[in-house]
Parts: sequence; structure tokens; C-alpha cells
Amino acid sequence: EAAVTQSPRNKVAVTGGKVTLSCNQTNNHNNMYWYRQDTGHGLRLIHYSYGAGSTEKGDIPDGYKASRPSQENFSLILELATPSQTSVYFCASGDAEGGNSDYTFGSGTRLLVI
Amino acid sequence: GDSVTQKEGLVTLTEGLPVMLNCTYQTIYSNAFLFWYVHYLNESPRLLLKSSTDNKRTEHQGFHATLHKSSSSFHLQKSSAQLSDSALYYCALSDRWGSSGNKLIFGIGTLLSVKP
Repeated sequence: EAAVTQSPRNKVAVTGGKVTLSCNQTNNHNNMYWYRQDTGHGLRLIHYSYGAGSTEKGDIPDGYKASRPSQENFSLILELATPSQTSVYFCASGDAEGGNSDYTFGSGTRLLVI
Repeated sequence: GDSVTQKEGLVTLTEGLPVMLNCTYQTIYSNAFLFWYVHYLNESPRLLLKSSTDNKRTEHQGFHATLHKSSSSFHLQKSSAQLSDSALYYCALSDRWGSSGNKLIFGIGTLLSVKP
């Protein structure tokens, strides 16, 4: 069954440390996305990609980098983690059919930065 | 830019009462795609229903919504709430970047809490 898998499920990081969140999809979708979920803000787009080798800035990219080394994998990197980046992060994939593209989400990564 | 508004952050209902979660949007596209996603606790958000057709009712799993372009609305409804409907509901708008795909712009979400 096609799926989006995120790792780790939970992560505790120290302020100033580097954090890498990983995402793997077996949907063969071209497009992948990283969102963070916060109460009162909903799901906000951090970075996205429309294929291997491409990354684009979303609405809140500051403090984050992304990497798309292959069709299947899309990573989110926090080079210098801060407590404000404590959140739940969701990866999603979607096919490239213009506006009519719905997403498959992963299970989320709960990140706590102390 | 494009945006989605969900005015209610929390809706609390008694089981058996009707559900209505509000969603309005702003977009420059005349053929906008609107979506409702549902996020149950400890699960992944998943698509509940979607539409791009004006004034056509879309139904799935007991929920329904009608896209009204004249009022830029896509409210989610259900005739009778069940305890199992308790979840976070997101309205989303497709923000297209071209033939290569799209971004979804999400509202802040409405937490539906159904009580016995």
C-alpha cells in the first residue's frame, strides 16, 4: 500500500543542535511537502519539492532547509534548532495534476527543542 | 494572496445534533479546488472530500459540502454528529503553481468535540 513514512516519530533536541527529519514515500508522487502544525495556526508550509533535486521555500522557511535527493525521500533540516521550532511536523506527497491534487500525509514527527 | 478562513477554533456538540463547520476562502482563480481534511488523534490527516464544481453537493462518509463560488464558501455539514466524529477538521484551498503541481493552503483548523 502506498504510504508516507516519517522518522523519527518523536525527537528531543537541544537548542543550537542540528536536527534532521526524514520522509519517505512509496506513492511515486512528484511533489512532496513539509508542514508544521501548531494550535491557532493550523498547517503551515515550510518547504516543498516538485521532483528529485528541487526544493522550494514555502510560507515559513526561515530556520529550515530541505533536501530532495530522490523521488522517494524528502528531508527537513534544522541547522540550529531553537525552542520556537518545537512543533509537530508533517510530511505529505501529492501527484502533479494541477489544482486537483490531494495529499497523502505521514504520521508526523513530534519535535521538542529544549 | 490566497487564504482560507475557519472562524471557529472549537465546536462542541451533543451527539445526534447537526454539524456545520464554516469555511470561506479568497483566491484569484475562478476554478478553485477546495478540500476538507480530517485529523483524528494519533493518526495522519486524510482527505475527507473535495470539490471544484460550483453549487454541486459533494458527499463522503456521511459528511457533505457544497462549493458556493458566489460567497466563496465551502462549509462542512453532517446531519447527525457521532462521538467518533471528534477530530480536527481542516479546510484547504489549492494554490496552483502550474502544471507541475499545487500547494494546499490550510485554514487554522476547527476542533470538533462531540459529547454524549
